[in-house]
Amino acid sequence: AQTVTQSQPEMSVQEAETVTLSCTYDTSESDYYLFWYKQPPSRQMILVIRQEAYKQQNATENRFSVNFQKAAKSFSLKISDSQLGDAAMYFCAYRRRGGGNQFYFGTGTSLTVIP
Amino acid sequence: DAGVTQSPTHLIKTRGQQVTLRCSPKSGHDTVSWYQQALGQGPQFIFQYYEEEERQRGNFPDRFSGHQFPNYSSELNVNALLLGDSALYLCASSWEPGQGAGETQYFGPGTRLLVL
Repeated sequence: AQTVTQSQPEMSVQEAETVTLSCTYDTSESDYYLFWYKQPPSRQMILVIRQEAYKQQNATENRFSVNFQKAAKSFSLKISDSQLGDAAMYFCAYRRRGGGNQFYFGTGTSLTVIP
Repeated sequence: DAGVTQSPTHLIKTRGQQVTLRCSPKSGHDTVSWYQQALGQGPQFIFQYYEEEERQRGNFPDRFSGHQFPNYSSELNVNALLLGDSALYLCASSWEPGQGAGETQYFGPGTRLLVL
């Protein structure tokens, strides 16, 4: 079974600074997708960014970018110019390509943004 | 365009009772997945429904069952509730064209279930 590991239970960052959240995963598959989801205290999971494993180029979405290292099975999230609204739980998730395949989530990283 | 909706938002039950949770997928989505999220943990996959059938199931006992209706909405049923079933139950919807392409799942706000 695939596993997703987030080794940082908690992180903090000063407002306007940059923070990087780590994620590693274990799979024998070559074609898959990786995601970062954000879960604010209101609890609704929101997609932050998505990466296709076959793409070498790292995905970016405004202030959010990833560092995808396929050989190392590493998928970190960088948040630039951190804002108070970025405070939330962040979950890394893996999904094998193909219909019906479930998501596997890590245990999450709680991000605090300090004003 | 409404996103994924779930009802109720909160629920309190006692051990041994049965509960039904409901989910309406995002417009245009045909697949519904259910997750259990214990406090301080990541979501754990329960099962997925596509074309009104359970297509995949996680490591959950048969006490957990579901249904998908022709309009793609879905229900999660849990029988003989245990204290350990207390959790946030998340519904996620996606569009799965044929074999799919790792489509993104969009989550609802969840139902918080407390079993006493």
